[in-house]
Amino acid sequence: GDSVTQMEGPVTLSEEAFLTINCTYTATGYPSLFWYVQYPGEGLQLLLKATKADDKGSNKGFEATYRKETTSFHLEKGSVQVSDSAVYFCALSERSGNQFYFGTGTSLTVIP
Amino acid sequence: DAGVTQSPTHLIKTRGQQVTLRCSPKSGHDTVSWYQQALGQGPQFIFQYYEEEERQRGNFPDRFSGHQFPNYSSELNVNALLLGDSALYLCASRMTGTGLKYGYTFGSGTRLTVV
Repeated sequence: GDSVTQMEGPVTLSEEAFLTINCTYTATGYPSLFWYVQYPGEGLQLLLKATKADDKGSNKGFEATYRKETTSFHLEKGSVQVSDSAVYFCALSERSGNQFYFGTGTSLTVIP
Repeated sequence: DAGVTQSPTHLIKTRGQQVTLRCSPKSGHDTVSWYQQALGQGPQFIFQYYEEEERQRGNFPDRFSGHQFPNYSSELNVNALLLGDSALYLCASRMTGTGLKYGYTFGSGTRLTVV
């Protein structure tokens, strides 16, 4: 069945460092891919998405490219800030969009 | 504009009891999904409701049931609680027809502890 494998954390970076969080997926069809972020005590917020191969999703300095050949959707940011500290979830959805499959989450802490 | 509202925020129940969690979707949204997020894990899909009917269900036992009301709000019921049901329960809503364009809006969740 469909699934998402996500780089395990926790990840600790200094402010302005480069961030990569790896995500690979398994899917039978042509899924859409997402990154969600969860701040302490809050629900998940959509960070970015890509709906087809080679699409690049971007938001708030974060980027991820849908790579069908490597079944990956790695999250990157060139210069992290303390405010980026949160848990990041990679997710996929089949074409209907009814059900999302989430990875286990990667906790990011950015220190000044 | 209020987003997705869930109540209560925290709940403690005894094994074997029953619990009802509530969700009000974001204004304009008519589809509600429920997810279970165990500690340190990603959310897992329980089921989705649209037009007051269960449209799709994940791999959860029949102890988990739900309901959607005419105003699109929803309830999640769990019977015969087990210790393993302790988790954060998330409600997510969207407007049907928007496809995957906007993703889902998630609530902050209900933290259920079974003792």
